[in-house]
Amino acid sequence: NAGVMQNPRHLVRRRGQEARLRCSPMKGHSHVYWYRQLPEEGLKFMVYLQKENIIDESGMPKERFSAEFPKEGPSILRIQQVVRGDSAAYFCASSPSSSHSNQPQHFGDGTRLSIL
Amino acid sequence: AQSVAQPEDQVNVAEGNPLTVKCTYSVSGNPYLFWYVQYPNRGLQFLLKYITGDNLVKGSYGFEAEFNKSQTSFHLKKPSALVSDSALYFCAVRDVGVGKLIFGQGTTLQVKP
Repeated sequence: NAGVMQNPRHLVRRRGQEARLRCSPMKGHSHVYWYRQLPEEGLKFMVYLQKENIIDESGMPKERFSAEFPKEGPSILRIQQVVRGDSAAYFCASSPSSSHSNQPQHFGDGTRLSIL
Repeated sequence: AQSVAQPEDQVNVAEGNPLTVKCTYSVSGNPYLFWYVQYPNRGLQFLLKYITGDNLVKGSYGFEAEFNKSQTSFHLKKPSALVSDSALYFCAVRDVGVGKLIFGQGTTLQVKP
């Protein structure tokens, strides 16, 4: 069974460009979470989505960041007009659709975003 | 607000010795607690969880964790450390409302031969 797939693994952007990070959850999972790991720090929650719905975006910066999880296709985390401070590892996790509170989240290998 | 603390940035252990990685939590209500391990340039791998039941939880790769409600702790343990256990370990508590994980800062485990 394929795990959580994230691409690209590494992404380099210049300041002011846009970054798009993709996440395909594990088969059968319909809950997707995005986390950010800054250098020398732990993971911080950004956003929680179900198919076509944003459930909790309390960890998302107010500007430039957006996320979606369409009916078909992967979840997308989009960062517009990137700045150096956006350099981080971005991780996606997924969990099953039922009784998700008791189930562990399964993580992808992340996208390492570098801003020049 | 729910939170998790890992008081040690790094733990050093000799191979074959027992290891403990500490975690304390603060939650309202019953805690859902998790341990994950992260190897360099990889995502987090699930090790074990505590939801309810026995205070000693057994997980992957010989790891176990002891839940202590009175001390609000959930320490990760292994009887005999391996060099390959060297990695970054995260304790996390699950937000019961919407399911997001709240992580500690992480503890680097260094096992020396």
